[in-house]
Formats: sequence, structure tokens, C-alpha cells
Amino acid sequence: ETGVTQSPTHLIKTRGQQVTLRCSSQSGHNTVSWYQQALGQGPQFIFQYYREEENGRGNFPPRFSGLQFPNYSSELNVNALELDDSALYLCASSVDSNTEAFFGQGTRLTVV
Amino acid sequence: GEDVEQSLFLSVREGDSSVINCTYTDSSSTYLYWYKQEPGAGLQLLTYIFSNMDMKQDQRLTVLLNKKDKHLSLRIADTQTGDSAIYFCAEYRQAGTALIFGKGTTLSVSS
Repeated sequence: ETGVTQSPTHLIKTRGQQVTLRCSSQSGHNTVSWYQQALGQGPQFIFQYYREEENGRGNFPPRFSGLQFPNYSSELNVNALELDDSALYLCASSVDSNTEAFFGQGTRLTVV
Repeated sequence: GEDVEQSLFLSVREGDSSVINCTYTDSSSTYLYWYKQEPGAGLQLLTYIFSNMDMKQDQRLTVLLNKKDKHLSLRIADTQTGDSAIYFCAEYRQAGTALIFGKGTTLSVSS
């Protein structure tokens, strides 16, 4: 059984650019949630996808968007990158939306 | 994450017990979790407790829940240097389907 995998592990982008981060959920899991973790902070909820539909959203602007595919993998897209978007982006998968979530290793995004 | 409060640092000696405390705000939270994060890594699920339980034990880990005071604690028995990490408390809020995290407690274990 493979765990949650994210790609890439590290990324450097320029302010104003767009970025796509990817997440493969754990086998048998139909729910993917994305979190942003700034340095020295706890993770902040961005949004959740359950069976390819957005199932909840945190306090993030519309330039943060996502997708979930039929195989339950997911993408996080961020447009018009800002310096404050620099963070560790974590993906978590679960069997359903209200069961224990297992996290990937994260993607470290640096915006310069 | 500011709605979940944790002390920021805890320092213990190897072999001692560690107790990490957390307070949360949403009395309707159904699940409460403890995650561990090592430097440069993602979050590792350590344990969780349902809101209708008072205590859960899992090997060296004991979770205590006081719903009246909205207080959660994680006790690590016989703490080892490998337990050095940041520990996050999180509550699951059904409205919003989100895990709400504290800022984390950095546990430092000295030999």
C-alpha cells in the first residue's frame, strides 16, 4: 500500500507566475485536502475534494484553485504568485471527509 | 490555527515522561488529533480520540480529553531522543470539513 505522495518536493517561482502542485492519494482514499504551512506556523486549511467535488474551503483567495481526478489524485493551482505564498504545501488523503487524514511529505514552494 | 492553543516549547530528559497540552474552541468537534512533524518533513499521524472518549492509550502514547474544559493532552512515556519534533494538536470541524491546527509544540529531548 503506497502512502500519500506529492510532487515536486521543492519549487522556486517568480512573483506573478502560476504553479501547479500534485498529490497522489493513498490507495482506497477518496478525499484529498490541501493545507498551507508557513514557517513556524501550523497548517492552514485551503480546501478539500471529495469524489471530484470541492467539499469545503478555507479562507484563501480564488487564485488558489484545485482539481480532483477520477483516480482521486489532486492538483493545487496557484495563480499570480505572491511572496507570502512561500510555504510548505501539504496534501492529506482520507477514506471519507471525516476520517483520519494521512499527510504527504509536502512541496516546499519559494516565491522570489 | 489560532483557535487551537498549544504551548510552544517543552524540554525533557531522555527516559522522562512528556506531557503536551492543547486547548480547542469548537465544542462540536468530533475528532481530535495529534500529529508529529520532524524537520523538513510532512505530518505523521500519531493518534486521535473521538469526542465521546475520555482517554486513549496506544503503546507509549496516552491521550486525555476533558470536553468540559476543551482540553486535550498527549503524554509520551519513556521519552527518547527520536521523539524530538514538533507536535501539533488538531480538531476536526464538521462545518467546513477542515482540520484546525495549533501552532505546534517543539519537544526537545536531551540525553
